[in-house]
Amino acid sequence: QKQLVQSGAEVKKPGASVKVSCKAYGYTFTTYSMHWVRQAPGQGLEWMGRINPNSGGTDYAQKFQGRITMTRDTSISTAYMELTGLTSDDTAMYYCAPATMTFDHWGQGTLVTVSS
Amino acid sequence: EIVLTQSPGTLSLSPGERATLSCRASHNIPNTYLAWYQQKVGQPPRLLMYDASTKTTATPDRISGSGSGTDFTLTITRLEPEDFAVYYCQYYGVSPWTFGQGTKVEIK
Repeated sequence: QKQLVQSGAEVKKPGASVKVSCKAYGYTFTTYSMHWVRQAPGQGLEWMGRINPNSGGTDYAQKFQGRITMTRDTSISTAYMELTGLTSDDTAMYYCAPATMTFDHWGQGTLVTVSS
Repeated sequence: EIVLTQSPGTLSLSPGERATLSCRASHNIPNTYLAWYQQKVGQPPRLLMYDASTKTTATPDRISGSGSGTDFTLTITRLEPEDFAVYYCQYYGVSPWTFGQGTKVEIK
């Protein structure tokens, strides 16, 4: 049974960066790409991109190109998502989800609040 | 990029009633790579349906999916109290994955 445990809530100032981690349990980490999805308060779901844990290859949504970096550490079965140049619009819950296609397991979410 | 438009935005119904949720795609979705998720407040989404009409093991029989091409539907035949939530459709398979804006099913 896949289980994803994400890092704790963060409060950041505008212009700062945030790095969220997602540790995988219960399956072979390199089997599935790790996707990241975010959800602003009261809003819908937004796909941010994915990383192939095998190759480290990434695929980012165009909206985030240039300020998002996804990495992984296969030795500890952990994926990371770093977002730079934060604004209040980046205040959201950030989720990780391992998947080939659909997201049948999700992390618990990491709340990132951007506030001066 | 495939843009998904869900309607209605909010559906106000009573328990026992039928709910019909629509998801329309801006372009043809190949292989019916369309999924549905249910989300309750304070929880991550839960996968209900994939390939437009294939249920997960946890999806109740009263929930079904249909459609192909650009028009897809999620139907809940008789609403139970636990069905009141927000539902999202999702395109997957070829980047970028995209989500509809959601339909909230609320108690009337």
